[in-house]
Amino acid sequence: SQTIHQWPATLVQPVGSPLSLECTVEGTSNPNLYWYRQAAGRGLQLLFYSVGIGQISSEVPQNLSASRPQDRQFILSSKKLLLSDSGFYLCAWSPGQVNEKLFFGSGTQLSVL
Amino acid sequence: GDSVTQMEGPVTLSEEAFLTINCTYTATGYPSLFWYVQYPGEGLQLLLKATKADDKGSNKGFEATYRKETTSFHLEKGSVQVSDSAVYFCALSGPYNFNKFYFGSGTKLNVKP
Repeated sequence: SQTIHQWPATLVQPVGSPLSLECTVEGTSNPNLYWYRQAAGRGLQLLFYSVGIGQISSEVPQNLSASRPQDRQFILSSKKLLLSDSGFYLCAWSPGQVNEKLFFGSGTQLSVL
Repeated sequence: GDSVTQMEGPVTLSEEAFLTINCTYTATGYPSLFWYVQYPGEGLQLLLKATKADDKGSNKGFEATYRKETTSFHLEKGSVQVSDSAVYFCALSGPYNFNKFYFGSGTKLNVKP
């Protein structure tokens, strides 16, 4: 069966520090991969998605970037965190076919202080 | 662009009450529609989905009907339980880019015994 791993679960970082969140998927090949952010009191905002290695689509211009160095690995990064980057970050994958659903990781709670 | 609008919460109900959470969408063509649920301390998981007009998705006593004429996908349950307390997200994907999933802002449901 397929599983998705996302870490760390919680992270407290100072303003201006770098960020690296990692997500890996097991049990499937060539998945579509996604990063979402859930800010307090707000819904899910699509940040990045990827349909293949090295292919990244950015939905919202911001202080973050994403990379997909391997088929089942998706990394969310920042060179210098801002206060506004605080939130709950969710990684997700889908089989990449019409009408298929998303499978979510357990999320990372990021607090930038 | 594609988007989802759902009623703001929180919604507070007594056990065995009838639940409706409204969701409307904006999309080109006929997207697939989903309801996801996030229980306290857990990640998002698919609750139900519908992929074409007049389809009814159902799961765990919850139902939602894909209404093309009103561009709606309202979530209903005839008798809620305390264990249904969670945040509910309406979402859509496609049809022209089924790789993207857009979510509403989420509706928190509190069910009191």
